[in-house]
This record gives sequence, C-alpha cells and structure tokens, in this order.
Amino acid sequence: GAGVSQSPSNKVTEKGKDVELRCDPISGHTALYWYRQSLGQGLEFLIYFQGNSAPDKSGLPSDRFSAERTGGSVSTLTIQRTQQEDSAVYLCASSLTGMNTEAFFGQGTRLTVV
Amino acid sequence: GENVEQHPSTLSVQEGDSAVIKCTYSDSASNYFPWYKQELGKRPQLIIDIRSNVGEKKDQRIAVTLNKTAKHFSLHITETQPEDSAVYFCAAYTGRRALTFGSGTRLQVQP
Repeated sequence: GAGVSQSPSNKVTEKGKDVELRCDPISGHTALYWYRQSLGQGLEFLIYFQGNSAPDKSGLPSDRFSAERTGGSVSTLTIQRTQQEDSAVYLCASSLTGMNTEAFFGQGTRLTVV
Repeated sequence: GENVEQHPSTLSVQEGDSAVIKCTYSDSASNYFPWYKQELGKRPQLIIDIRSNVGEKKDQRIAVTLNKTAKHFSLHITETQPEDSAVYFCAAYTGRRALTFGSGTRLQVQP
C-alpha cells in the first residue's frame, strides 16, 4: 500500500475486555514497531519486529500485552483485560531495513477504556 | 538502556525568528539521530536525521548538529513560519534496541 495502515482508527472498550489492534506495514519493509502515545506525551516503545529474528519485547508494560507478526507482514497488538491506564494512541511504524532508516508511522489507533 | 532528554518542552517564537531544540542521550553507542514532526492529530513524520559520522546536516531551513563528545544534538529551524507549529521529537538509536524518543517539544510560531 501507499503507507502504513492501522485499524481501527478509534476503539472504545469496557474495562476488562480484550482488544486487538492491527497494523499493515509498507510492503517490503522488514522492520515493524509499536509505540504508545498518551495524551500530550512522548512515544513509548512497546515491541519491535525485525525480519525473522525474535521480536524485542522489552517495552511491553505487562504480560497483558502481546503482539505477533504473521508472514513478516501484518502485525496484531493484543491487550488482554484492558485497564483505564491503557487508554492512549497506539502507533505502528515500519522501516525498510531497521530502526536506523526512516520510520513511517501509521495514523494510530486511539484506544479508550471506559 | 538509552535515555533521551529533550528541552524545552514548549517553545514560542515570532514568525521569522529561529527556533532551537536540544536533546541529550546517555548511550555513547548511539549512532543514528532522527527528528520527527507531529502536527496536531497527525502521525509523526521524519524531517531530518543525522548519523554519528557527521557533525552537521542541513535541509533548507532545517539543520541538525551533533556533538558526540558531549552526547547532545540539536534541531535548528530558521525563518520560522506558522506551518512549523507542531510537536517535535528527537530520537536516538544504539543498534541494540528500538529508537528511544525524547518527550517532545511543542513549538508555536506566532504570526
């Protein structure tokens, strides 16, 4: 596609429910990452996929968070038993070869936990 | 791990003036330093980047300088325009994990 696509763009969920956020990276990009941005705050690293290597999960805030990348392309971020503090914009980005090349961000998914 | 500090958190300038945003990093192994601009409600977009083998890079009204000894780098915007108003993020990459971003600077250019 023309850019990184994320869905849904907005998600409102009840506390305790599970949610899945989807990211379609730019075709051919081997690196994919998820960041979280709380209102008016910076970009908090969550997880990083690079080719066929084991993902860097060091940024995941708790075991309620998980992510997978199927076939080296689409990625899904899953949050189980959502809490109000999970409310944020979840940004996905991809880059051609790694994080020392330009990262192209999606428009984000705004998650609101009520 | 890497820690990136960014200052100031907010910056207001008059149209036509220059703006400078500064970042420091902690890991001397960092070798790539991009700057991203995020307009209100939009996604972050790369505006300029610099690698550790270069001390300065310019692109029209935007320049970035890097001081490896002091472990700091700066973004310079000259002749600011209202459309430069946005949040700017610096970042550093060590090669061992993901990009670490600064906390952001909200730049407001007053017409």
